[in-house]
Amino acid sequence: AQSVTQLGSHVSVSEGALVLLRCNYSSSVPPYLFWYVQYPNQGLQLLLKYTTGATLVKGINGFEAEFKKSETSFHLTKPSAHMSDAAEYFCAVSDRGGYQKVTFGTGTKLQVIP
Amino acid sequence: NAGVTQTPKFRILKIGQSMTLQCTQDMNHNYMYWYRQDPGMGLKLIYYSVGAGITDKGEVPNGYNVSRSTTEDFPLRLELAAPSQTSVYFCASRPGGQANNQPQHFGDGTRLSIL
Repeated sequence: AQSVTQLGSHVSVSEGALVLLRCNYSSSVPPYLFWYVQYPNQGLQLLLKYTTGATLVKGINGFEAEFKKSETSFHLTKPSAHMSDAAEYFCAVSDRGGYQKVTFGTGTKLQVIP
Repeated sequence: NAGVTQTPKFRILKIGQSMTLQCTQDMNHNYMYWYRQDPGMGLKLIYYSVGAGITDKGEVPNGYNVSRSTTEDFPLRLELAAPSQTSVYFCASRPGGQANNQPQHFGDGTRLSIL
């Protein structure tokens, strides 16, 4: 069975500071990994994904994540937070077969302080 | 490009009433999903479909039903609404076939309250 753990349901950073949102996963097979962002009253939008190949993945809006197999982690980072980054972020793990069973983390709400 | 469209956006139901949440996508995606989102709980899969005429249960199917008569539409039915079904419901779709590494595309959700 696969699972996702997001450490910290709420994270606050100052505008311009580093953003670090943590995600650890468990999976019996090499997974696909995703980060989604959800703005208020909207659905989830893809930020970035890891499938195979390069372990450092760049996404939209200046976000990136690094797949670390030895640590079973896929942490999301952004060098400098912007007010528009305030949202909820979800890490997700997917198996590689069939209908793509996706397991979502419980989410991390990012607050950006001016 | 509409993507995934959900209607209605908001609804209040009384206990025991029934309703259908509509979901349609215009991307010709084979796979479609229904999730519910509760505060602090992430998304839980209710039902999914791998193509027209094929549906299957997810993690939390009790109290819900679905159908998939066309590629585009995947309605979710609540037969006897209960307070525990108060939630935000999201429909999602993605390409099928070899595209297992493709992300899901989400609608904007239906906010449902059962009183």
